[in-house]
Amino acid sequence: DQQVKQNSPSLSVQEGRISILNCDYTNSMFDYFLWYKKYPAEGPTFLISISSIKDKNEDGRFTVFLNKSAKHLSLHIVPSQPGDSAVYFCAASQVGRGYNKLIFGAGTRLAVHP
Amino acid sequence: GAGVSQSPSNKVTEKGKDVELRCDPISGHTALYWYRQSLGQGLEFLIYFQGNSAPDKSGLPSDRFSAERTGGSVSTLTIQRTQQEDSAVYLCASSLKRAQETQYFGPGTRLLVL
Repeated sequence: DQQVKQNSPSLSVQEGRISILNCDYTNSMFDYFLWYKKYPAEGPTFLISISSIKDKNEDGRFTVFLNKSAKHLSLHIVPSQPGDSAVYFCAASQVGRGYNKLIFGAGTRLAVHP
Repeated sequence: GAGVSQSPSNKVTEKGKDVELRCDPISGHTALYWYRQSLGQGLEFLIYFQGNSAPDKSGLPSDRFSAERTGGSVSTLTIQRTQQEDSAVYLCASSLKRAQETQYFGPGTRLLVL
């Protein structure tokens, strides 16, 4: 039973354009969401997070949007750069209940081409 | 400062053998997590240590898997009588103290069971 789903295994975007990565979840108890980026042969690196009390969080070129009623979040990268090419993982946890483990999606491979 | 380190980076073993994977968290981080990523899958939670509290072992897939954290720092994940389905990348992460804190990942140990 996948509680966090990333339905697009891959995405190809032209440099300078917007990249939109999507994530859906099924557990309404999740209250904290994160995006991680992973390059080959490296561990995931934290990108941006959002608490369920917010619907948007922005950090430079990266913005995460949360739609609680739809149980959906998205990561927007504007403008996309070739260095953004990586696998992006969405993750969720139940911070308020003290559950510290992250539940990850399967990842979306983003390719930004010149 | 130094990030999370893991050893070995790669391990090839024969079915039925035991393996030990090591994780050195970031100094001062009291929370430590083990995840694994099987081919084409997202990261799967295995176990979580927080300070001197009893670990959360809810993600361990079988009793062949165990983990220790000595002195609140270094952790060892042991897999006994390895099976081919244990082949995966095993990732360790640490965070400063609690769930809202960003988890920092090591580069992982690639385990291949022949």
